[in-house]
Amino acid sequence: DGGITQSPKYLFRKEGQNVTLSCEQNLNHDAMYWYRQDPGQGLRLIYYSQIVNDFQKGDIAEGYSVSREKKESFPLTVTSAQKNPTAFYLCASRDRGLQALHFGNGTRLTVT
Amino acid sequence: GENVEQHPSTLSVQEGDSAVIKCTYSDSASNYFPWYKQELGKRPQLIIDIRSNVGEKKDQRIAVTLNKTAKHFSLHITETQPEDSAVYFCAASNSGGSNYKLTFGKGTLLTVNP
Repeated sequence: DGGITQSPKYLFRKEGQNVTLSCEQNLNHDAMYWYRQDPGQGLRLIYYSQIVNDFQKGDIAEGYSVSREKKESFPLTVTSAQKNPTAFYLCASRDRGLQALHFGNGTRLTVT
Repeated sequence: GENVEQHPSTLSVQEGDSAVIKCTYSDSASNYFPWYKQELGKRPQLIIDIRSNVGEKKDQRIAVTLNKTAKHFSLHITETQPEDSAVYFCAASNSGGSNYKLTFGKGTLLTVNP
């Protein structure tokens, strides 16, 4: 069963701690993306990667970091420098030559 | 960079009526315009898309229109049903390559009342 898996579904952290969100895909897609969703704000792009070992900042990259060591994996680290980390985080992937994004089920992060 | 504006932010209709959601974009180089539907607590799912060489596309009760000159595109849902209730997002992107990304509007919460 092909798809994008984000884990965990819910994540709770204390302020000041770094936390890493997992995103794995078995669709053999080259490109992967991280979006953040807040009520009334739509989906805002954090980071994206078109190929292994390469990634670019999106519109709201401050306080986040990523790595792309394997084609199927694109983890997102929310650092303590992110001022408002509580949000719903969505990972997506895209097949080479196509333009549609396929989304995972998301991780809801709560930082208190 | 690209900027996508979406209106209205909320829309309430009676079952059987039509619903229209409108978006404008800023980058004239954008050439791909998808629409996603997101039910509560779930992932956004692609429902229809259109490319800049096409003015209109239909898929059963859903249609999208594009006006490249005015840089706006719209989603039309006819004969709405309660299961159409969701948040709808429009998006725009450039042609691709190493810098391909989708820019989304802020979403429209559609409520279809039985």
